[in-house]
Amino acid sequence: DAKTTQPPSMDCAEGRAANLPCNHSTISGNEYVYWYRQIHSQGPQYIIHGLKNNETNEMASLIITEDRKSSTLILPHATLRDTAVYYCISTGGGNKLTFGTGTQLKVEL
Amino acid sequence: DAGVIQSPRHEVTEMGQEVTLRCKPISGHNSLFWYRQTMMRGLELLIYFNNNVPIDDSGMPEDRFSAKMPNASFSTLKIQPSEPRDSAVYFCASSLGFGSGGTNTGELFFGEGSRLTVL
Repeated sequence: DAKTTQPPSMDCAEGRAANLPCNHSTISGNEYVYWYRQIHSQGPQYIIHGLKNNETNEMASLIITEDRKSSTLILPHATLRDTAVYYCISTGGGNKLTFGTGTQLKVEL
Repeated sequence: DAGVIQSPRHEVTEMGQEVTLRCKPISGHNSLFWYRQTMMRGLELLIYFNNNVPIDDSGMPEDRFSAKMPNASFSTLKIQPSEPRDSAVYFCASSLGFGSGGTNTGELFFGEGSRLTVL
């Protein structure tokens, strides 16, 4: 599985878009990019995943660069409840996910 | 759907005691995972099962740890004897895995975790 690199922390104003970057420069052709988040003391929660194309669901959008070396998770209108640690994971190994240290997103008034 | 159910939610025990953590996966899911989370090491995958068979236990720290999945609706993680350094939150997760016959989105559903404190 490719190693991912994320900033340790980010701040965002409530109501604004939160853009969380992830670098996965060694990703291989069959590896997906997954995003999870973990709200304090809860189990991680799946957000979205993609391979090549940009993806959108009710929670977020995932933008993957054309060379697939990086991606951005977008929360279009962040709320205080989006404060959490966000994990970017790349894997081709089916459901086996290896979590890194993630980005602590703090949404503030 | 009740989601992944873990018990106990909290466990405080003394060093040397046996600890058993339990997990009931989501009905119909055929992959089950045990993770451990500490401040120092983050989220670590300990072991995962597919169709009740252990596929990868390379994350199990040592022989004191063992995991079983006797049927599709139940799994245990046992620590014997427990040590203070085993103190952590243990998460169980399930998913539609390989051979499910359905669409595998790679989405893991996590339980609320079991917080273990070994004194």
